[in-house]
Amino acid sequence: GDSVTQMEGPVTLSEEAFLTINCTYTATGYPSLFWYVQYPGEGLQLLLKATKADDKGSNKGFEATYRKETTSFHLEKGSVQVSDSAVYFCALTSGGSQGNLIFGKGTKLSVKP
Amino acid sequence: ETGVTQSPTHLIKTRGQQVTLRCSSQSGHNTVSWYQQALGQGPQFIFQYYREEENGRGNFPPRFSGLQFPNYSSELNVNALELDDSALYLCASSLGGGKVEQYFGPGTRLTVT
Repeated sequence: GDSVTQMEGPVTLSEEAFLTINCTYTATGYPSLFWYVQYPGEGLQLLLKATKADDKGSNKGFEATYRKETTSFHLEKGSVQVSDSAVYFCALTSGGSQGNLIFGKGTKLSVKP
Repeated sequence: ETGVTQSPTHLIKTRGQQVTLRCSSQSGHNTVSWYQQALGQGPQFIFQYYREEENGRGNFPPRFSGLQFPNYSSELNVNALELDDSALYLCASSLGGGKVEQYFGPGTRLTVT
């Protein structure tokens, strides 16, 4: 079945460092790909998405490019801030009538001042 | 525009009891999906309701059941609670199924003792 694998955390960075969180997927067909963020004690917020190969999703300085050839959707940010500390989830939906999301296990990011 | 809301925020139940969790979808959305997020894990799809009908189900036993009402709000019911049911339960609303964006509520933290 469809699945998402993302790098194990936690990841600890200093403020203004470069961030990469790796995400790879297995899916039949042509999934849409998402990054969600979960701040402490809160639900999930959609960070960015891409719906087809070579699409780049971006939001709040974060970017991810849908790479069909490597089945990847790595999350990047050039300069992280303390406020970016959260858990990041990579997810896919393979469509169909329901389009349920399939999530990775999450990567916890801590940014130190 | 009102976002997705869930109630209650926290709940403590005893093994064997029954629980009902509630979700109000975002204005204009006709689809509600429920997810279970165990501690340190990514959310797992429970089921989805579209226009008051179940529209897909994940790998959860029948003691997990749901309803959707004419105003598109929804309930998740869990019978015969087990210790492993302790988790954050997330509701997400969307406009239809398929590869559309899902918007999450803050979740209900259920603890089973």
